[in-house]
This record gives sequence, structure tokens and C-alpha cells, in this order.
Amino acid sequence: DQQVKQNSPSLSVQEGRISILNCDYTNSMFDYFLWYKKYPAEGPTFLISISSIKDKNEDGRFTVFLNKSAKHLSLHIVPSQPGDSAVYFCAAKANQAGTALIFGKGTTLSVSS
Amino acid sequence: DVKVTQSSRYLVKRTGEKVFLECVQDMDHENMFWYRQDPGLGLRLIYFSYDVKMKEKGDIPEGYSVSREKKERFSLILESASTNQTSMYLCASSISSTSRTQYFGPGTRLLVL
Repeated sequence: DQQVKQNSPSLSVQEGRISILNCDYTNSMFDYFLWYKKYPAEGPTFLISISSIKDKNEDGRFTVFLNKSAKHLSLHIVPSQPGDSAVYFCAAKANQAGTALIFGKGTTLSVSS
Repeated sequence: DVKVTQSSRYLVKRTGEKVFLECVQDMDHENMFWYRQDPGLGLRLIYFSYDVKMKEKGDIPEGYSVSREKKERFSLILESASTNQTSMYLCASSISSTSRTQYFGPGTRLLVL
């Protein structure tokens, strides 16, 4: 059973507009959430993260929102740029030593100019 | 700057061959991970290791084994490659078992004929 779900396989946005990528989780033991970005033929790169004690974290054009009661997080990219076109993975980790990140299936974002 | 390197970017092997994928990190990280990425399935954890000579099964360990004789090196072994193991293989490392951020290598695209 998937513990981290990204229900939208793809998203298309125009340059300059907002991109919103969504992620849902089921495990209430998760206390840290990350977003990774992946270009084709490259490894994923860390983008932004949020701890469960916060509900928002911002880094430049990227903001992650966490709604613990709904077990939902979202990544906002404003303004979107063509270089943001990539696959975005949501990941979560439980506060337990020896556990790995659990990744969602990813959302492919396409930003058109 | 963290660097995770993988021995090959592209590999072509035949069914039944033994395949070794090597991963090296240069930041003295304790934890290392092997994932495979397939379209529509996201990143799936194969094995991880939180110390030298220690290993833990991930979500899809069948058909794979791993070796960690030195802290900086984590090898993924396909004992007898099969066509369903054609995939992108990604290695990652993190500082310790309580660290949340993983750093990924560039990936190895393996084709099994």
C-alpha cells in the first residue's frame, strides 16, 4: 500500500504562472517531508523540505505547505519557469533511526513559454 | 559539496549475466541506498545500509543483493540479470540514520537483453 501518493502524474503550466504539486501521505509517523526534482538522465536533487512542526517553508520561488490534519502537502512554484520542467518527487520520513525515505511516484511538470 | 558517483551511466547486459553496479560517496556518510526508477512507479527502494557490512531490505529486494565492505562504497549485485530488471538505478547517501536529506548519484541506466 502506497504511503506517499502523488495522484497527478503530470501538470502543464504556462511560464510566469503558479505551479502547485500535491502529495498525500497515510503514515502518521512521518515527521519530515522533502521534495526532489529530477531531470531526465540525472539523479534527483533535493529541492526543499519541511518538518512536521511547521506548516510552511519558503525558499525563493519554492514554498511547501503542510496540512497535518489532512495528511497533505503541496509545493508551490511562483513564478514558474521553463527550466522548472522536470519530474518532482515527494518524499517522507518517519522519526526512526534506520528508516529510509518513502517516495511518491512523481509528477511531471511541463512549463511552456 | 557532496558527491555520489556511480560506476557507469549506461550498461547493456544479457539475461543471466551477473551484474555489478558500484556507488561511491566522498562525504563519509553512514547511510547508503539503492533505488530503481521506472515510469509510473517512481523511486522504489531496493536495499539500504546504515553501516559497513550492514544491510536492510527495502521494498523490492528480490533478485538483488548488496555489499558494503567499506564505508564509502555500496555495491548492488544482480546475481542473474533478467529483462524485468531493465531500469534506471539510483544510488543515494545520507549523513546518518537520523539525517533526512539524501544525496543522489547520476544514475545507471541498465538494459538487460
